Amino acid sequence: AQSVTQLGSHVSVSEGALVLLRCNYSSSVPPYLFWYVQYPNQGLQLLLKYTTGATLVKGINGFEAEFKKSETSFHLTKPSAHMSDAAEYFCAVSGGTSYGKLTFGQGTILTVHP
Amino acid sequence: EAGVTQFPSHSVIEKGQTVTLRCDPISGHDNLYWYRRVMGKEIKFLLHFVKESKQDESGMPNNRFLAERTGGTYSTLKVQPAELEDSGVYFCASSRPGAMNTEAFFGQGTRLTVV
Repeated sequence: AQSVTQLGSHVSVSEGALVLLRCNYSSSVPPYLFWYVQYPNQGLQLLLKYTTGATLVKGINGFEAEFKKSETSFHLTKPSAHMSDAAEYFCAVSGGTSYGKLTFGQGTILTVHP
Repeated sequence: EAGVTQFPSHSVIEKGQTVTLRCDPISGHDNLYWYRRVMGKEIKFLLHFVKESKQDESGMPNNRFLAERTGGTYSTLKVQPAELEDSGVYFCASSRPGAMNTEAFFGQGTRLTVV
């Protein structure tokens, strides 16, 4: 069984500030980890993913995440927030015999203030 | 290439009625997934098709939900009869064949409201 916990359903930052969205997972098998973003009135878009290899993963729009097995975490960061980053972000995990089947966290709404 | 397309984008129906949601995956994507997000909750897996076969339907809530994938192309998800708790956003996703193709492309979702 797998599960994902996103700490904070709402995160608010100022433009130019660091963005940190927290994600902890539980998995009985080596996990594949994902961050998706949903902009208003759009579908989910993949930001980045970790499968194997390098634990620091870079994604689109300047986001990156680090897989920390010892902490069972996959936090998403961006050094400087932009107004266009305002959206809902989802952390997800998959693994085992069905790598395409995703288990999602509850989502974090990111608000960026001018 | 065209993305994953879902119809309709919104649907409002009365309790007891039937609704059919449609998903057109990206061409060549054998894997097709349905997910649902009930308001305030996380996105949950419903089922997974490989071509026209149901690979995993462990997330289907009950027998009021019927999913089909004709000829391994588009898929439909029928809810009959609809109940109030079926309200939510239904997402479809598709991915390329092969176990290592882990990126799923999502549609915009269908927002279903049962009144």
